[in-house]
Amino acid sequence: TQLLEQSPQFLSIQEGENLTVYCNSSSVFSSLQWYRQEPGEGPVLLVTVVTGGEVKKLKRLTFQFGDARKDSSLHITAAQPGDTGLYLCAGVARGSTLGRLYFGRGTQLTVWP
Amino acid sequence: DTAVSQTPKYLVTQMGNDKSIKCEQNLGHDTMYWYKQDSKKFLKIMFSYNNKELIINETVPNRFSPKSPDKAHLNLHINSLELGDSAVYFCASSRVVGLNTEAFFGQGTRLTVV
Repeated sequence: TQLLEQSPQFLSIQEGENLTVYCNSSSVFSSLQWYRQEPGEGPVLLVTVVTGGEVKKLKRLTFQFGDARKDSSLHITAAQPGDTGLYLCAGVARGSTLGRLYFGRGTQLTVWP
Repeated sequence: DTAVSQTPKYLVTQMGNDKSIKCEQNLGHDTMYWYKQDSKKFLKIMFSYNNKELIINETVPNRFSPKSPDKAHLNLHINSLELGDSAVYFCASSRVVGLNTEAFFGQGTRLTVV
């Protein structure tokens, strides 16, 4: 059973376009995180959202946590080739073992110059 | 001054062999993990240790045995390697902030079983 569903699985866009990646679940999460992974490297934490409805901005990246704490989205404005990578959402489900971090299957983003 | 370091980065070995991957973290975190990332990039947790004690043990063949000599180290030993074990294995450590767990990953070990 996949606790976190990410969509789309693949995204290929031109430089300058905007995009949104979604992370959905039927479970409530204490918090959700977004990681970015580049080829040959481990995932790197971008942001953590903890409060339902919370919006966080990181330069051109905007992260939102759903009001019910079951979903999150990542929006990138004016994408650049340097944004290329695998974006993973992850979270600790409410009531699960502390430290039990579930990952989504990821969205592979390619931004062409 | 690498935060989470694992060795080796690449490992090519024959079926049936036994191999180990080592991991060390200098972040002072209490919890460490092993994750397996398959060819479709799905990151699946295998084990988690908290202060040298095993707290998460997913459905992993018992050919895989983690060992944590101290809270800064978590090694993974694999017996009788099979073709299906080929994957990238990531070590991670985490800190707990309130109800939130934030993970820090090593660079991964690409294991190829031939």
